[in-house]
Amino acid sequence: DTGVSQDPRHKITKRGQNVTFRCDPISEHNRLYWYRQTLGQGPEFLTYFQNEAQLEKSRLLSDRFSAERPKGSFSTLEIQRTEQGDSAMYLCASSLGRYEETQYFGPGTRLLVL
Amino acid sequence: GDSVTQMEGPVTLSEEAFLTINCTYTATGYPSLFWYVQYPGEGLQLLLKATKADDKGSNKGFEATYRKETTSFHLEKGSVQVSDSAVYFCALSEIGGGSEKLVFGKGTKLTVNP
Repeated sequence: DTGVSQDPRHKITKRGQNVTFRCDPISEHNRLYWYRQTLGQGPEFLTYFQNEAQLEKSRLLSDRFSAERPKGSFSTLEIQRTEQGDSAMYLCASSLGRYEETQYFGPGTRLLVL
Repeated sequence: GDSVTQMEGPVTLSEEAFLTINCTYTATGYPSLFWYVQYPGEGLQLLLKATKADDKGSNKGFEATYRKETTSFHLEKGSVQVSDSAVYFCALSEIGGGSEKLVFGKGTKLTVNP
């Protein structure tokens, strides 16, 4: 049984660099979510996909952030021109689909921007 | 918008003590309610859920009852163990409301001492 996987698990980058994270959901899960978690806070919603379509984006997702799910399977989250405020844990979750609300989370990618 | 408020931590208990972590919510519709747990160094795991008023979710000795009249979903366990030490997050999701994204509280860190 393979759960949600994320790569890399840790990323250290310098301010101004671009970074890309990958998420592989549980197979056959139609919905894929990205959340961000900062220290001492609960996860906050960033965006979600129904198959390959990106259907909702949070206002937290500035124009430096872009997410894709090109074939409705894995997803990437790219941050351009990183800032120190982007340092956080980026979590991916997947679920079967509409009205099946249980989301299963990956281990997260911890980003540190120096 | 929807929100979740849970009791501030950290909470420190001795083994076999009774645990209550309070959680209240505000929502425009009829949300499903969840408790997720994050063990040290691991990702978020679903602990239990309830999808309608008066439902009781239970798992691993933990219980929570969906109380619509008090908009609450308090987590309880009769006898905690050292292995229950973790951060606990209360969350809601508006089912049928589009993305069905999760809205989390800030988390409550529980430490159980032997």
